[in-house]
Amino acid sequence: GAVVSQHPSRVICKSGTSVKIECRSLDFQATTMFWYRQFPKKSLMLMATSNEGSKATYEQGVEKDKFLINHASLTLSTLTVTSAHPEDSSFYICSATEHTGTYSNQPQHFGDGTRLSIL
Amino acid sequence: KNQVEQSPQSLIILEGKNCTLQCNYTVSPFSNLRWYKQDTGRGPVSLTIMTFSENTKSNGRYTATLDADTKQSSLHITASQLSDSASYICVVSASNNAGNMLTFGGGTRLMVKP
Repeated sequence: GAVVSQHPSRVICKSGTSVKIECRSLDFQATTMFWYRQFPKKSLMLMATSNEGSKATYEQGVEKDKFLINHASLTLSTLTVTSAHPEDSSFYICSATEHTGTYSNQPQHFGDGTRLSIL
Repeated sequence: KNQVEQSPQSLIILEGKNCTLQCNYTVSPFSNLRWYKQDTGRGPVSLTIMTFSENTKSNGRYTATLDADTKQSSLHITASQLSDSASYICVVSASNNAGNMLTFGGGTRLMVKP
């Protein structure tokens, strides 16, 4: 089955540091990748949608300068949390689909998430 | 506004017992409904996916139902095991000219005790 690998699984760093999270589709080409944030005991909140080779579409309330998303290839998307602060501490999850747009029956394959802790 | 509501928020059952989780949605235009299992600290894993014309779908001990008229779905877990302890998330997909949009339910946190 389709596998999405997310790295690192856990990050602990000081306030002010920028942190990059990678999301890779291992056995399929991911034309669309999604980035989610999840607070404890809450469901996933979509942050942004990225299509390979184009700018990401951010959800309302998500700062694009704070959360930089790059989807330069069909198998890799990165999320960079710039100048992270304690309030950015959260569980970040990526997912990927093999087709864009209207193929809504294509499943999203999720990574295992990255636990980000900012001290 | 598209919404997905799940109940109960949390549930504790004894190993071996059955349970049913509920999902009500107001999503339009409806495309499909998925149930995911999310273990603590892990990403969600798909259990079932159902389109408008499907009423029931099984995946091992998991059976999902869909009533598109009442906009309700359920996930029934049979003969629960300790490994079933997880959050179960109902996700409804809407489809429009801009593509598909997912609406996530808040999840049901299931704990199976020995």
